[in-house]
Amino acid sequence: GIQVEQSPPDLILQEGANSTLRCNFSDSVNNLQWFHQNPWGQLINLFYIPSGTKQNGRLSATTVATERYSLLYISSSQTTDSGVYFCAASGSARQLTFGSGTQLTVLP
Amino acid sequence: GAGVSQSPSNKVTEKGKDVELRCDPISGHTALYWYRQSLGQGLEFLIYFQGNSAPDKSGLPSDRFSAERTGGSVSTLTIQRTQQEDSAVYLCASSQPRPETQYFGPGTRLLVL
Repeated sequence: GIQVEQSPPDLILQEGANSTLRCNFSDSVNNLQWFHQNPWGQLINLFYIPSGTKQNGRLSATTVATERYSLLYISSSQTTDSGVYFCAASGSARQLTFGSGTQLTVLP
Repeated sequence: GAGVSQSPSNKVTEKGKDVELRCDPISGHTALYWYRQSLGQGLEFLIYFQGNSAPDKSGLPSDRFSAERTGGSVSTLTIQRTQQEDSAVYLCASSQPRPETQYFGPGTRLLVL
């Protein structure tokens, strides 16, 4: 099945800084999603982005399907952005394969 | 609108007991998925339903795990003869056919003593 790798595993930022999280996947995808897992464990949808670029406020994402990677950009980070960010992808199968996540800590 | 709901939120059980976990998907979503998240294994797929049928059960870790979906809506995941390694957060997600965005519920935290 599809393999998903995320980097970096950990990221510590000062409030107001910008960051880029990366997701590499091993095969062509029909679905690619970015999630934020909050401190209560809830997986919050950020983007459904199997290709192209999307923006939502301070967050944006780009997936280059031909090169098999996706990037999540967080601008002007806030302490409430802290948590684990997951990339998940599916190919011919419907179920998502998750990366191991990026633990983001934003310091005040 | 209402999101995916799961019950119970938390479940503590003794080794060897059976447990049932429930998932109510978003209304109108035809696909339903079960995943689990544990410290050692990360987030892993268990089973997928399209309508009431389960075309992919490949993620179920053993024959102690089973799931059903009725009326194209509610799903129940049953774990028989629970073991300590079953302790995890069990997550349910649902999606429409297009786009296939999966929306997750809050999870059921299972602790097997």
